[in-house]
Amino acid sequence: NAGVTQTPKFRILKIGQSMTLQCTQDMNHNYMYWYRQDPGMGLKLIYYSVGAGITDKGEVPNGYNVSRSTTEDFPLRLELAAPSQTSVYFCASQDGGGTDTQYFGPGTRLTVL
Amino acid sequence: QKEVEQNSGPLSVPEGAIASLNCTYSDRVSQSFFWYRQYSGKSPELIMSIYSNGDKEDGRFTAQLNKASQYVSLLIRDSQPSDSATYLCASKGSARQLTFGSGTQLTVLP
Repeated sequence: NAGVTQTPKFRILKIGQSMTLQCTQDMNHNYMYWYRQDPGMGLKLIYYSVGAGITDKGEVPNGYNVSRSTTEDFPLRLELAAPSQTSVYFCASQDGGGTDTQYFGPGTRLTVL
Repeated sequence: QKEVEQNSGPLSVPEGAIASLNCTYSDRVSQSFFWYRQYSGKSPELIMSIYSNGDKEDGRFTAQLNKASQYVSLLIRDSQPSDSATYLCASKGSARQLTFGSGTQLTVLP
């Protein structure tokens, strides 16, 4: 199992550009999450999904969009990138059963200039 | 707004000492708490979870929960340089969402 994979690892965007951060998990987990982590800070939840076709906003959703058409994939879309979106983005997944462990991907480091 | 607060740190301890990391939370409804370890430039990994008042031990790690005081702690005994990392406290909400603290950076000095 590869676990949770994210692409790209690094990206530099210009203000106003758009991009999609990819996240794929091969553990057949129902729950998936997108977090952002600013330097020296904890993780803040952007969006989450409890299953294919179901998504909901987290704490900091403005400027982002998500979709979940399959169990495996949970892409995060940035529209009109702004410097405030410079951060490290982590995708995570979790089984819908009794375990509480969230498994994190390696992260995408995004810089908006 | 649900909040999780942690010692601002950074925290330095000598090798072999006990490292004590603390966390408070504001949401009284929270029932589950977690400690994640994050090495520099890496993603968080779960090291401890605790659900009931009292202590939970796993090897050199002990998590403590006091729901009345809304307080969670992590003790690391016999600290090793490999324990040097940022430790994130988190509480679980609905839909298994996690609310994270800002983290405490721990350095274990050889």
